[in-house]
Amino acid sequence: DQQVKQNSPSLSVQEGRISILNCDYTNSMFDYFLWYKKYPAEGPTFLISISSIKDKNEDGRFTVFLNKSAKHLSLHIVPSQPGDSAVYFCAAGEGRTSGSRLTFGEGTQLTVNP
Amino acid sequence: NAGVMQNPRHLVRRRGQEARLRCSPMKGHSHVYWYRQLPEEGLKFMVYLQKENIIDESGMPKERFSAEFPKEGPSILRIQQVVRGDSAAYFCASSSTYEGPQHFGDGTRLSIL
Repeated sequence: DQQVKQNSPSLSVQEGRISILNCDYTNSMFDYFLWYKKYPAEGPTFLISISSIKDKNEDGRFTVFLNKSAKHLSLHIVPSQPGDSAVYFCAAGEGRTSGSRLTFGEGTQLTVNP
Repeated sequence: NAGVMQNPRHLVRRRGQEARLRCSPMKGHSHVYWYRQLPEEGLKFMVYLQKENIIDESGMPKERFSAEFPKEGPSILRIQQVVRGDSAAYFCASSSTYEGPQHFGDGTRLSIL
């Protein structure tokens, strides 16, 4: 049972444009969400998080949107840069904090073309 | 480098041997998590530990796998009598408290011959 789903295995965008990565979840107990970026042969790098009491969180070029009724979240990267090319993982946890097991999606490979 | 340190980065074992994976959390972090990533899949939670305590091991296989986080020293993930299906990347993460994100190490790639 895949509780966190990233339905797009890959996404390709032009440099300077917006990248939108999507994530859906099924477990109503999830109330804390994170996005990680991962390069080959490295560990995931934390990007941004959001708790269920918010519907938007912004940090520089990265914005995460949460739609609880639809059980959907998205990561917007504006403007996209070639260095953003990586696999992006959506993760979800229970308990409004990171002090719990995280459930990961299968990842979306983002390619930003110069 | 004040990040999460994992060693070794690569580990090769023959079937039936033991594998020991080490994780030193970020300075000041007392919460440690282990995840496994099989080829072409996302990360799967295995175990959550605090110093000297296992808090949540619901993702650990029932047999052959164990984890510890002693008062002194790194956290250890131990796999006894390894089998081919144990081949994966094993990632450790740490956090300072219940709040804040989990920060990951670069993983240990375990290969079973």
